[in-house]
Amino acid sequence: QQQVKQSPQSLIVQKGGISIINCAYENTAFDYFPWYQQFPGKGPALLIAIRPDVSEKKEGRFTISFNKSAKQFSLHIMDSQPGDSATYFCAASWGNTGKLIFGQGTTLQVKP
Amino acid sequence: NAGVTQTPKFQVLKTGQSMTLQCAQDMNHNSMYWYRQDPGMGLRLIYYSASEGTTDKGEVPNGYNVSRLNKREFSLRLESAAPSQTSVYFCASSDGRGGFYNEQFFGPGTRLTVL
Repeated sequence: QQQVKQSPQSLIVQKGGISIINCAYENTAFDYFPWYQQFPGKGPALLIAIRPDVSEKKEGRFTISFNKSAKQFSLHIMDSQPGDSATYFCAASWGNTGKLIFGQGTTLQVKP
Repeated sequence: NAGVTQTPKFQVLKTGQSMTLQCAQDMNHNSMYWYRQDPGMGLRLIYYSASEGTTDKGEVPNGYNVSRLNKREFSLRLESAAPSQTSVYFCASSDGRGGFYNEQFFGPGTRLTVL
């Protein structure tokens, strides 16, 4: 019940295309859903996050779509660029524990 | 500000050897975390410390111990290393108050190989 399931495991997109990564969860107590971006040899860094009382959040080319009834959320990268090539992790947390439960990760490759 | 720093960056151990991974943060964060990252497994929490003086087990604590030395420093110890502990280890810190205060800041990682 504490798991966050992420798909696909890997994704190849042409430059200018839309990248879509999906996550699903079971625990309805989760109240914070961030996405982290990790470049090779680096630690993950927060990209964008959303609370469940909002259905969508957009920051530049990055958008989180949230479907509370389906217990799913997704990351959309518009106009994907080669510089977006990285591993993306969804995550979830609850209350004030500070702990995050991470998905399995998606390796995105954007071809020029 | 250096953020979160980790030492060493790389380490090779033989089975049965011990070592301590060091982590420090300069953001005055209350909470600190240790994760391991393995291919296809995402980031799995080993131990965390919600505040100075407290530590709790995460998802995969077996074979590890931690010490929250002070508010800045959180170390991870492998008492008797096993090949299954070959992984990349990340330390992270956060304000810890929940919600959007949960943003975790990660260090650069330690790549550990156990032969």
